[in-house]
Amino acid sequence: SAVISQKPSRDICQRGTSLTIQCQVDSQVTMMFWYRQQPGQSLTLIATANQGSEATYESGFVIDKFPISRPNLTFSTLTVSNMSPEDSSIYLCSVEDWGLRGTYEQYFGPGTRLTVT
Amino acid sequence: GNSVTQMEGPVTLSEEAFLTINCTYTATGYPSLFWYVQYPGEGLQLLLKATKADDKGSNKGFEATYRKETTSFHLEKGSVQVSDSAVYFCALKDSSASKIIFGSGTRLSIRP
Repeated sequence: SAVISQKPSRDICQRGTSLTIQCQVDSQVTMMFWYRQQPGQSLTLIATANQGSEATYESGFVIDKFPISRPNLTFSTLTVSNMSPEDSSIYLCSVEDWGLRGTYEQYFGPGTRLTVT
Repeated sequence: GNSVTQMEGPVTLSEEAFLTINCTYTATGYPSLFWYVQYPGEGLQLLLKATKADDKGSNKGFEATYRKETTSFHLEKGSVQVSDSAVYFCALKDSSASKIIFGSGTRLSIRP
Protein backbone atom coordinates (compact mmCIF):
# COMPACT_ATOMS: atom_id res chain seq x y z
CA SER A 1 0.00 0.00 0.00
CA ALA A 2 1.21 3.48 -0.87
CA VAL A 3 2.34 6.09 1.61
CA ILE A 4 1.85 9.65 0.40
CA SER A 5 3.36 12.88 1.67
CA GLN A 6 2.42 16.41 0.69
CA LYS A 7 4.21 19.73 1.02
CA PRO A 8 3.35 22.19 2.37
CA SER A 9 0.92 20.89 4.97
CA ARG A 10 -0.66 24.31 5.18
CA ASP A 11 -0.12 27.83 3.90
CA ILE A 12 -1.66 31.25 4.04
CA CYS A 13 -1.36 33.16 0.77
CA GLN A 14 -2.36 36.52 -0.58
CA ARG A 15 -4.83 36.82 -3.40
CA GLY A 16 -3.30 37.05 -6.83
CA THR A 17 -0.33 34.85 -5.95
CA SER A 18 0.29 31.19 -6.83
CA LEU A 19 1.14 28.17 -4.72
CA THR A 20 2.65 24.88 -5.83
CA ILE A 21 1.78 21.78 -3.83
CA GLN A 22 4.02 18.74 -3.99
CA CYS A 23 2.95 15.12 -3.71
CA GLN A 24 5.49 12.35 -3.13
CA VAL A 25 4.65 8.62 -3.12
CA ASP A 26 6.85 5.90 -1.67
CA SER A 27 6.22 3.54 -4.61
CA GLN A 28 5.79 3.84 -8.35
CA VAL A 29 2.18 4.38 -9.33
CA THR A 30 0.55 4.95 -12.66
CA MET A 31 -2.46 7.00 -11.68
CA MET A 32 -2.40 10.05 -9.46
CA PHE A 33 -5.33 12.29 -8.65
CA TRP A 34 -5.79 15.76 -7.21
CA TYR A 35 -8.89 16.54 -5.16
CA ARG A 36 -10.23 19.68 -3.52
CA GLN A 37 -12.18 19.70 -0.27
CA GLN A 38 -13.74 23.08 0.38
CA PRO A 39 -14.61 23.97 3.99
CA GLY A 40 -17.33 21.69 5.27
CA GLN A 41 -17.77 20.10 1.87
CA SER A 42 -17.03 16.79 0.23
CA LEU A 43 -14.13 15.97 -2.04
CA THR A 44 -14.21 17.03 -5.67
CA LEU A 45 -11.83 15.63 -8.26
CA ILE A 46 -9.78 18.33 -9.98
CA ALA A 47 -7.78 16.20 -12.40
CA THR A 48 -6.17 12.85 -13.10
CA ALA A 49 -2.43 12.90 -13.76
CA ASN A 50 -0.72 9.99 -15.47
CA GLN A 51 3.00 10.00 -16.05
CA GLY A 52 3.97 10.88 -19.59
CA SER A 53 0.69 12.44 -20.62
CA GLU A 54 -1.28 15.62 -20.09
CA ALA A 55 -3.49 15.75 -17.04
CA THR A 56 -7.20 15.21 -17.60
CA TYR A 57 -9.32 17.89 -15.94
CA GLU A 58 -12.85 17.53 -14.62
CA SER A 59 -15.65 19.85 -15.57
CA GLY A 60 -15.19 23.23 -13.92
CA PHE A 61 -11.40 22.98 -13.63
CA VAL A 62 -8.94 24.28 -16.21
CA ILE A 63 -5.23 23.90 -16.79
CA ASP A 64 -4.53 27.64 -16.64
CA LYS A 65 -5.86 27.79 -13.10
CA PHE A 66 -4.57 24.41 -11.86
CA PRO A 67 -1.50 23.39 -13.86
CA ILE A 68 -0.23 19.93 -12.96
CA SER A 69 3.12 18.29 -13.51
CA ARG A 70 3.85 14.56 -13.39
CA PRO A 71 7.53 14.14 -14.16
CA ASN A 72 7.87 10.56 -12.91
CA LEU A 73 5.98 7.67 -11.31
CA THR A 74 6.44 8.86 -7.71
CA PHE A 75 5.90 12.62 -7.85
CA SER A 76 3.40 15.25 -8.93
CA THR A 77 2.73 18.93 -8.35
CA LEU A 78 -0.45 20.97 -8.43
CA THR A 79 -0.26 24.74 -8.76
CA VAL A 80 -3.12 26.95 -7.68
CA SER A 81 -2.70 30.06 -9.81
CA ASN A 82 -3.87 33.64 -9.33
CA MET A 83 -5.53 32.71 -6.07
CA SER A 84 -8.70 34.20 -4.68
CA PRO A 85 -10.39 33.57 -1.29
CA GLU A 86 -12.68 31.04 -3.04
CA ASP A 87 -9.62 28.82 -3.52
CA SER A 88 -9.31 28.35 0.25
CA SER A 89 -9.61 24.58 0.60
CA ILE A 90 -7.79 21.42 1.48
CA TYR A 91 -6.04 19.98 -1.57
CA LEU A 92 -5.45 16.24 -1.51
CA CYS A 93 -3.25 14.04 -3.61
CA SER A 94 -4.40 10.48 -4.20
CA VAL A 95 -2.94 7.44 -5.91
CA GLU A 96 -4.22 4.10 -7.04
CA ASP A 97 -2.08 1.23 -5.81
CA TRP A 98 -2.29 -2.44 -4.98
CA GLY A 99 -3.80 -2.70 -1.51
CA LEU A 100 -3.72 -5.09 1.42
CA ARG A 101 -7.14 -6.40 0.41
CA GLY A 102 -5.68 -7.81 -2.81
CA THR A 103 -7.23 -5.24 -5.13
CA TYR A 104 -6.35 -1.80 -6.42
CA GLU A 105 -7.32 0.87 -3.93
CA GLN A 106 -7.06 4.62 -3.71
CA TYR A 107 -4.83 6.10 -1.03
CA PHE A 108 -4.92 9.72 0.04
CA GLY A 109 -2.26 12.08 1.22
CA PRO A 110 -2.68 14.14 4.41
CA GLY A 111 -3.75 17.20 2.42
CA THR A 112 -2.56 20.77 2.09
CA ARG A 113 -4.71 23.32 3.88
CA LEU A 114 -4.69 26.55 1.89
CA THR A 115 -6.08 29.84 3.13
CA VAL A 116 -6.22 32.79 0.75
CA THR A 117 -6.54 36.25 2.25
CA GLY B 1 -24.41 10.82 -14.10
CA ASN B 2 -23.16 8.89 -11.11
CA SER B 3 -23.85 10.34 -7.68
CA VAL B 4 -23.87 9.52 -3.99
CA THR B 5 -26.34 10.81 -1.43
CA GLN B 6 -25.67 10.32 2.24
CA MET B 7 -27.30 11.22 5.48
CA GLU B 8 -26.67 14.77 6.57
CA GLY B 9 -24.97 15.37 9.84
CA PRO B 10 -23.91 16.08 12.34
CA VAL B 11 -24.85 12.89 14.12
CA THR B 12 -24.30 12.80 17.89
CA LEU B 13 -24.58 9.56 19.83
CA SER B 14 -23.69 8.28 23.25
CA GLU B 15 -20.95 5.70 23.64
CA GLU B 16 -22.14 2.12 22.99
CA ALA B 17 -25.11 3.29 20.93
CA PHE B 18 -26.00 1.67 17.60
CA LEU B 19 -24.95 3.62 14.53
CA THR B 20 -26.48 3.81 11.07
CA ILE B 21 -25.38 6.30 8.43
CA ASN B 22 -27.51 6.04 5.32
CA CYS B 23 -26.04 6.12 1.84
CA THR B 24 -27.74 5.68 -1.52
CA TYR B 25 -26.23 5.90 -4.96
CA THR B 26 -27.08 6.44 -8.59
CA ALA B 27 -24.91 4.72 -11.15
CA THR B 28 -24.97 2.91 -14.44
CA GLY B 29 -23.58 -0.57 -14.43
CA TYR B 30 -22.03 -2.13 -11.35
CA PRO B 31 -19.93 0.32 -9.36
CA SER B 32 -17.70 -0.47 -6.40
CA LEU B 33 -18.83 1.14 -3.16
CA PHE B 34 -16.72 2.52 -0.34
CA TRP B 35 -16.82 4.12 3.05
CA TYR B 36 -13.94 6.46 3.84
CA VAL B 37 -13.23 8.00 7.25
CA GLN B 38 -11.46 11.24 8.12
CA TYR B 39 -10.41 11.48 11.76
CA PRO B 40 -9.77 14.94 13.21
CA GLY B 41 -6.53 16.35 11.83
CA GLU B 42 -5.81 13.29 9.71
CA GLY B 43 -6.04 12.29 6.08
CA LEU B 44 -8.75 10.27 4.41
CA GLN B 45 -8.63 6.51 5.00
CA LEU B 46 -10.49 3.67 3.39
CA LEU B 47 -12.73 2.08 6.03
CA LEU B 48 -14.39 -0.66 3.99
CA LYS B 49 -15.50 -1.55 0.50
CA ALA B 50 -17.78 -3.84 -1.48
CA THR B 51 -17.41 -4.58 -5.16
CA LYS B 52 -20.59 -6.44 -6.09
CA ALA B 53 -24.20 -6.90 -5.06
CA ASP B 54 -24.78 -8.55 -1.67
CA ASP B 55 -21.11 -8.17 -0.71
CA LYS B 56 -20.58 -7.06 2.87
CA GLY B 57 -17.59 -4.89 3.69
CA SER B 58 -16.40 -4.82 7.28
CA ASN B 59 -13.61 -3.27 9.32
CA LYS B 60 -13.11 -2.07 12.92
CA GLY B 61 -16.62 -3.22 13.85
CA PHE B 62 -18.23 -1.28 11.00
CA GLU B 63 -20.25 -3.05 8.31
CA ALA B 64 -22.00 -2.11 5.10
CA THR B 65 -23.85 -4.33 2.62
CA TYR B 66 -24.08 -3.58 -1.11
CA ARG B 67 -27.82 -3.61 -1.85
CA LYS B 68 -28.44 -3.32 -5.55
CA GLU B 69 -32.22 -3.56 -5.26
CA THR B 70 -32.34 -0.46 -3.07
CA THR B 71 -29.11 1.12 -4.43
CA SER B 72 -27.89 1.52 -0.88
CA PHE B 73 -24.72 0.99 1.14
CA HIS B 74 -25.62 1.97 4.70
CA LEU B 75 -22.86 2.04 7.31
CA GLU B 76 -23.58 0.34 10.64
CA LYS B 77 -21.82 -0.34 13.90
CA GLY B 78 -23.33 -2.10 16.87
CA SER B 79 -21.58 -0.19 19.64
CA VAL B 80 -19.76 3.05 18.92
CA GLN B 81 -16.82 4.43 20.86
CA VAL B 82 -15.57 7.95 21.44
CA SER B 83 -12.66 7.14 19.11
CA ASP B 84 -15.14 6.68 16.24
CA SER B 85 -15.77 10.43 16.17
CA ALA B 86 -14.88 11.47 12.62
CA VAL B 87 -16.32 12.44 9.27
CA TYR B 88 -17.54 9.51 7.18
CA PHE B 89 -17.79 9.63 3.40
CA CYS B 90 -19.71 7.22 1.23
CA ALA B 91 -18.26 6.89 -2.26
CA LEU B 92 -18.50 4.94 -5.49
CA LYS B 93 -16.20 4.09 -8.35
CA ASP B 94 -17.56 3.29 -11.75
CA SER B 95 -16.36 -0.03 -13.14
CA SER B 96 -14.98 1.69 -16.24
CA ALA B 97 -12.97 4.41 -14.53
CA SER B 98 -10.67 5.09 -11.60
CA LYS B 99 -12.44 8.27 -10.59
CA ILE B 100 -14.13 8.13 -7.17
CA ILE B 101 -17.29 10.12 -6.51
CA PHE B 102 -17.87 11.11 -2.91
CA GLY B 103 -20.97 11.88 -0.92
CA SER B 104 -21.17 15.05 1.13
CA GLY B 105 -19.83 13.46 4.31
CA THR B 106 -21.43 12.88 7.71
CA ARG B 107 -19.81 14.22 10.85
CA LEU B 108 -20.19 11.77 13.75
CA SER B 109 -19.60 12.80 17.36
CA ILE B 110 -19.67 10.27 20.17
CA ARG B 111 -20.04 11.52 23.72
CA PRO B 112 -18.73 9.49 26.67
